[in-house]
Amino acid sequence: GQQVMQIPQYQHVQEGEDFTTYCNSSTTLSNIQWYKQRPGGHPVFLIQLVKSGEVKKQKRLTFQFGEAKKNSSLHITATQTTDVGTYFCAGNPVITDYGGSQGNLIFGKGTKLSVKP
Amino acid sequence: ETGVTQSPTHLIKTRGQQVTLRCSSQSGHNTVSWYQQALGQGPQFIFQYYREEENGRGNFPPRFSGLQFPNYSSELNVNALELDDSALYLCASSLEAGEQYFGPGTRLTVT
Repeated sequence: GQQVMQIPQYQHVQEGEDFTTYCNSSTTLSNIQWYKQRPGGHPVFLIQLVKSGEVKKQKRLTFQFGEAKKNSSLHITATQTTDVGTYFCAGNPVITDYGGSQGNLIFGKGTKLSVKP
Repeated sequence: ETGVTQSPTHLIKTRGQQVTLRCSSQSGHNTVSWYQQALGQGPQFIFQYYREEENGRGNFPPRFSGLQFPNYSSELNVNALELDDSALYLCASSLEAGEQYFGPGTRLTVT
């Protein structure tokens, strides 16, 4: 079945260090979304990427969508303690002949980030 | 706050029982998706409703069923509960295929 793999599973960094999580899909995606979930909370939408090779920035966060629309990455520059949480990628697989997709967002297992002050 | 609400917050049920979880979507959103999140895992897609019709279903058995109402609120029903159904159940509302706004979830424990 369709799968979205995410690595690493855990990342422990010192405050100020950079952090990257990678996402890889077994099938072509029509779009990819990134979410952050704080401990005890619910996933919060960060961004959606749609175009092949797209790069988007939000302050210290940089998101990339691969040329083949099968992989993506999230990079955080100079982590802060407020960045703590689990980061999920979630993809909408292309399942129709004309490249459309249905509603099933497939989530990766997430990367749990801890930041040591 | 996303404006998506879920009830109840927590629930304890016995194996074999049935449960109904409820979700009110954010104003203006016509699509509701339901997810199951086991501890330490990513949310797993159960199904999605768009304008009261099911619009995609994940790999869940038929004892997981749902409804969407004319005001776009939604219910998730689970029959014949099993121990493995213990999880956080999340609903997310969106405007069609856009970004999803998650509710706080319902923590279901099956004993």
